[in-house]
Amino acid sequence: GAVVSQHPSWVICKSGTSVKIECRSLDFQATTMFWYRQFPKQSLMLMATSNEGSKATYEQGVEKDKFLINHASLTLSTLTVTSAHPEDSSFYICSAGHLVHEQYFGPGTRLTVT
Amino acid sequence: DAKTTQPPSMDCAEGRAANLPCNHSTISGNEYVYWYRQIHSQGPQYIIHGLKNNETNEMASLIITEDRKSSTLILPHATLRDTAVYYCIVRVWRGSSNTGKLIFGQGTTLQVKP
Repeated sequence: GAVVSQHPSWVICKSGTSVKIECRSLDFQATTMFWYRQFPKQSLMLMATSNEGSKATYEQGVEKDKFLINHASLTLSTLTVTSAHPEDSSFYICSAGHLVHEQYFGPGTRLTVT
Repeated sequence: DAKTTQPPSMDCAEGRAANLPCNHSTISGNEYVYWYRQIHSQGPQYIIHGLKNNETNEMASLIITEDRKSSTLILPHATLRDTAVYYCIVRVWRGSSNTGKLIFGQGTTLQVKP
């Protein structure tokens, strides 16, 4: 079946530093990937749509300069959290569309900013 | 995309069928019903989708009412591993490309008990 991976699975960083999270579709190509964040005991919140070869589309209220998205190839999208602060600590999840109706999600990346 | 309403939580005995309801009274004719689930600290998993006919796959069955204003996801023989948050999502299918974003509500927390 379709597999989406994320790296790293967890990361701890200091306040003010930047962190890059990778999302890869392992056995299929995805022109569009999606990035979500999830706080404890809450639902997933869509942050942005990552489009291969073009700029990402951000949801209302998401700072595009803080959450940099690059979709360099049909199998890789990256999310960079710039100048991270403790309030950015969250579970970040990506997904990619496969076949006509199905979307597959990565296992998530837990970010802790100290 | 139409909004969905789900009960916040449900219990089910192991080995019994779990019936998870979803209301989507404002659904329009070109919107599909999708079900995903999220096991704790993992990325969501696709379960099933449908337009107006009942659907069945190896994981579950989806029953959609004739007026399409509600649906029920059925796990025929729930196991402890089915304990998860189940999300019902309504989304327009945008032709042959799977670029439509998924907006998650609060979902139903299903607790399967021994």
